[in-house]
Amino acid sequence: AQSVTQLDSQVPVFEEAPVELRCNYSSSVSVYLFWYVQYPNQGLQLLLKYLSGSTLVESINGFEAEFNKSQTSFHLRKPSVHISDTAEYFCAVSDRSGTYKYIFGTGTRLKVLA
Amino acid sequence: GAGVSQSPSNKVTEKGKDVELRCDPISGHTALYWYRQSLGQGLEFLIYFQGNSAPDKSGLPSDRFSAERTGGSVSTLTIQRTQQEDSAVYLCASSLAGSGDTQYFGPGTRLTVL
Repeated sequence: AQSVTQLDSQVPVFEEAPVELRCNYSSSVSVYLFWYVQYPNQGLQLLLKYLSGSTLVESINGFEAEFNKSQTSFHLRKPSVHISDTAEYFCAVSDRSGTYKYIFGTGTRLKVLA
Repeated sequence: GAGVSQSPSNKVTEKGKDVELRCDPISGHTALYWYRQSLGQGLEFLIYFQGNSAPDKSGLPSDRFSAERTGGSVSTLTIQRTQQEDSAVYLCASSLAGSGDTQYFGPGTRLTVL
């Protein structure tokens, strides 16, 4: 069985400051890793994903995440946040065979302050 | 192109009534997933379809929940004899079905059981 832990339920940060949202997972098999974002009153959107290859993956809006196999982590970072990044962020894993269903973390609410 | 659509967007029902929630996946996507998003439980997997078959129903919380998919397209999630604990946002997602394919989420149906 797989599980995902997002230890920070809420993260307040000032605009233009850096931010890191933590994600740790547990799995007995190899997994794919995802970050989804949910803006207020909107649906879930893929931010970035790790399938294989380079352990550092980037999104088009400046976020990046690094897969660390030894620490079973997939933390999300951004060097300088904007007000518009205020949203809830979900980390998810899926197995590499079978159903590919997602197991989600409980989410981290990022609030960017002016 | 068109994304995943769900209807209704909101549903208010009385305890004990049956409800049907509909999902229209992205055309050509063979995999379809139902998830539930609630305050107490976060995002939970319910059921997975590959074509019209449901090889993984492991997330359905009770036998009051059922789902079907017809023509490899539209899916309906049915909840019989609704209970207050069924109140949640029900999300549908679809993907091409290959390993590592991104799941695209619909806007959800907010179900309120009075």
